Amino acid sequence: GESVGLHLPTLSVQEGDNSIINCAYSNSASDYFIWYKQESGKGPQFIIDIRSNMDKRQGQRVTVLLNKTVKHLSLQIAATQPGDSAVYFCAETFSGYALNFGKGTSLLVTP
Amino acid sequence: GAGVSQTPSNKVTEKGKYVELRCDPISGHTALYWYRQSLGQGPEFLIYFQGTGAADDSGLPNDRFFAVRPEGSVSTLKIQRTERGDSAMYLCASSSGANEKLFFGSGTQLSVL
Repeated sequence: GESVGLHLPTLSVQEGDNSIINCAYSNSASDYFIWYKQESGKGPQFIIDIRSNMDKRQGQRVTVLLNKTVKHLSLQIAATQPGDSAVYFCAETFSGYALNFGKGTSLLVTP
Repeated sequence: GAGVSQTPSNKVTEKGKYVELRCDPISGHTALYWYRQSLGQGPEFLIYFQGTGAADDSGLPNDRFFAVRPEGSVSTLKIQRTERGDSAMYLCASSSGANEKLFFGSGTQLSVL
């Protein structure tokens, strides 16, 4: 996976492989982090969240890892499926309501 | 409702016109948010309501933008004297409170010609 940068990074994986999408955040005061999935023409869909008092959280086929020391967040998707193809955004907040979104990573799952 | 509902899904208007975008949040959610998303970018915060009041409108780009939530449920984002640069996807989200999961609607794609 690639960190969010000036251009929308793209991650291409084969169906069945695991995917790792990375995100760097800048505000050390942020205490709540969310991953969203966005398909073309739709609004962001909640995937998983994590608070700053945790460093790992698991959901169904997804795991979020938080490294506060280096201000890094990652999303791991197990057994990636074609339906996982979308743009993935990490978001952070310290205010509790105003989310700061990264630019996103495009995940392309090939058969 | 089952999810956040936004209407219209698409809005095409001419430069200088006035537009209103509507958001119907998840039933029972006290917090409501408006975000704006340009192509290839992540959503950007515009305004946050807790109940009927705008708790933070610091993301509104200028005084042509205004939002209301008179009864603490449905919200309307109003844009006066639209400019071509206002063209974007306008997203509404709601949550059960601050620092809780935000659930987004499908957005209104605004095109200013």
